[in-house]
Amino acid sequence: DVKVTQSSRYLVKRTGEKVFLECVQDMDHENMFWYRQDPGLGLRLIYFSYDVKMKEKGDIPEGYSVSREKKERFSLILESASTNQTSMYLCASSMAGTNEQFFGPGTRLTVL
Amino acid sequence: AQSVTQPDIHITVSEGASLELRCNYSYGATPYLFWYVQSPGQGLQLLLKYFSGDTLVQGIKGFEAEFKRSQSSFNLRKPSVHWSDAAEYFCAVFIQGAQKLVFGQGTRLTINP
Repeated sequence: DVKVTQSSRYLVKRTGEKVFLECVQDMDHENMFWYRQDPGLGLRLIYFSYDVKMKEKGDIPEGYSVSREKKERFSLILESASTNQTSMYLCASSMAGTNEQFFGPGTRLTVL
Repeated sequence: AQSVTQPDIHITVSEGASLELRCNYSYGATPYLFWYVQSPGQGLQLLLKYFSGDTLVQGIKGFEAEFKRSQSSFNLRKPSVHWSDAAEYFCAVFIQGAQKLVFGQGTRLTINP
């Protein structure tokens, strides 16, 4: 079974802090994705990556950056957290050339 | 622009009743369509998917969905719901050029005992 893990289930940070959200997958997938989930808005794509050291902006990249130094790990970075970044963050992965994505359990981030 | 609409934000049904969750998509090419379920506090789990062929697809947990090209719809159905089906359900379309999923807003399902 594909396993996608996220470093924290719940996180509370203060405005202005630098925040790292980590995602690891164990199935050697090439593609990895970061989404945020907000009530009434569904999931929106922040960034994705097709390979190590590659990244592509999604639909809502503002205020975020990503890092992919190893194939299995994809990090989402909030350089200076703001209250409007309070949300549920979901990581996903997929094999190259396929369209089925496998999701992690999510990190609920609260920025005070 | 490609988009997915789930018209119902919240649906309540009684245990044992039938269920239909609506999904409409906007996409120029042949769509690859998905339904995911998210139980409280969990990530998303794939229920079923449509790529081509038979327009009625079967999924896990007794769910099925029917692709209707003429109506741009991919509605999810279950003949008899169980209390454990209470969750949020997301419809999604895969955008082939951009290699990404576009999700609907989600439908929250509540089951009355």
